[in-house]
Amino acid sequence: SQTIHQWPATLVQPVGSPLSLECTVEGTSNPNLYWYRQAAGRGLQLLFYSVGIGQISSEVPQNLSASRPQDRQFILSSKKLLLSDSGFYLCAWSVPGRRDQPQHFGDGTRLSIL
Amino acid sequence: KNQVEQSPQSLIILEGKNCTLQCNYTVSPFSNLRWYKQDTGRGPVSLTIMTFSENTKSNGRYTATLDADTKQSSLHITASQLSDSASYICVVTSNYGGSQGNLIFGKGTKLSVKP
Repeated sequence: SQTIHQWPATLVQPVGSPLSLECTVEGTSNPNLYWYRQAAGRGLQLLFYSVGIGQISSEVPQNLSASRPQDRQFILSSKKLLLSDSGFYLCAWSVPGRRDQPQHFGDGTRLSIL
Repeated sequence: KNQVEQSPQSLIILEGKNCTLQCNYTVSPFSNLRWYKQDTGRGPVSLTIMTFSENTKSNGRYTATLDADTKQSSLHITASQLSDSASYICVVTSNYGGSQGNLIFGKGTKLSVKP
């Protein structure tokens, strides 16, 4: 069966520090991968998605970046965190080309910026 | 503008009671509608997916309905349990946005089931 792992589960970082969140998927090949941010009282906001190694699409301008160095690995990064980067970050995967299939989410990383 | 509106924002019910959550959308062209359950501090988990031609789908005690004409969906929970306490998110997929479509998320309804 397929599983998705995110780490760390929680993270507290000072303003201006770098960030690296990792997401890996097991049990499937060539998945579509997604990074979302969920702010309190708001819906999920799509940050990045990837349809293959090295292929990243950005949905919103920001100081975050994403990379996909391996087929089932998706990394969210920042060189300098802002207070506004606080939130709940979720990674998800889906079967390519199958809109009738759900996205499968990891358990998220709670990021607090001080 | 593509939007998904959910109501109520929050809901408190007693264990064993039924409840219904609402989702109205203005997404076009429509591809499908999904309901997710999100426990506190966890990622969302899919409950149902419905296409244009489906007007009801069940998953255990969860039953989703879809009226594509009025662009409304509901999620009915029968005989609620304490473990049903969670946020329920309605997501509508449009046919734009490549092979995956464009997903528009509602803000969710927070359900609390009390003993």
